[in-house]
Amino acid sequence: QSALTQPASVSGSPGQSITISCTGTSSDVGSYNLVSWYQQHPGKAPKLMIYEGSKRPSGVSNRFSGSKSGNTASLTISGLQAEDEADYYCCSYAGSSTYVVFGGGTKLTVL
Amino acid sequence: QVQLQESGPGLVKPSETLSLTCTVSGGSISSYYWSWIRQPAGKGLEWIGHIYTSGSTNYNPSLKSRVTMSVDTSKNQFSLKLSSVTAADTAVYYCARHQLGHFDYWGQGTLVTVSS
Repeated sequence: QSALTQPASVSGSPGQSITISCTGTSSDVGSYNLVSWYQQHPGKAPKLMIYEGSKRPSGVSNRFSGSKSGNTASLTISGLQAEDEADYYCCSYAGSSTYVVFGGGTKLTVL
Repeated sequence: QVQLQESGPGLVKPSETLSLTCTVSGGSISSYYWSWIRQPAGKGLEWIGHIYTSGSTNYNPSLKSRVTMSVDTSKNQFSLKLSSVTAADTAVYYCARHQLGHFDYWGQGTLVTVSS
C-alpha cells in the first residue's frame, strides 16, 4: 500500500483536460510544498514533469500544471494529446525520518 | 546534459547481496544527493534511499536494515548494496539525482531478478 493515494486510472479525449489527484497527510503533502509528478511510458524511466508543487522543468509543456490544497496535490493536463498516455506518479517529501513517499500511480488513457 | 547509467548483475540468488553501481556523466557528482529507486514489474515506484557526496545517507525505513550506499567521487559513481534478498526484491532498479524532494535526472533502469 502506497503512502500517497492516487486514482488507479483516468481517461479523456484528445483536446480535453484531466486532473489526477494525490492525497497524502499532514506529515507529507500537507506540510511541505515539495510535491513532484512523473510521467512514465512503458519500458521507460520516469520523467520529471512538475516539482515543488507547481514548477515545470525546462522542456516540459505548459499543458502540464500542478497545484495543492491541504493534503491533496493535483496534476492537470490540458489539451490532451495521444502522447500523454502514460502512467503518472506523485511524490512528496515526508520529513527527515521517512523522507520520500510515492503514490501508487495513475494510468492515463487518451480515448 | 547529466546522464546516469546503472550497472551490475541481472541475476542474484536468494539470501545473497544485490550490488549495483550508477555512473554519472556530463556533470560532477559533487554537491548533490543521489538516490536509488526500484519498481517491481507492473507496480509503483519505491524510494530505497539516497547518499550525499559527503557520504551521509538516508534510507527508506522499511529497507534500512538491509541497505548500504556508498559514493566514489573520483569515479563519479555511487553504489547500492541490498543484503539478504528474496524474490520480493526482484524489480527494475533506477538511480536518480535527488534535489529538494524531486528527482530530475534518471538512469534507464536495470532489471534485477532474484532467483536460484
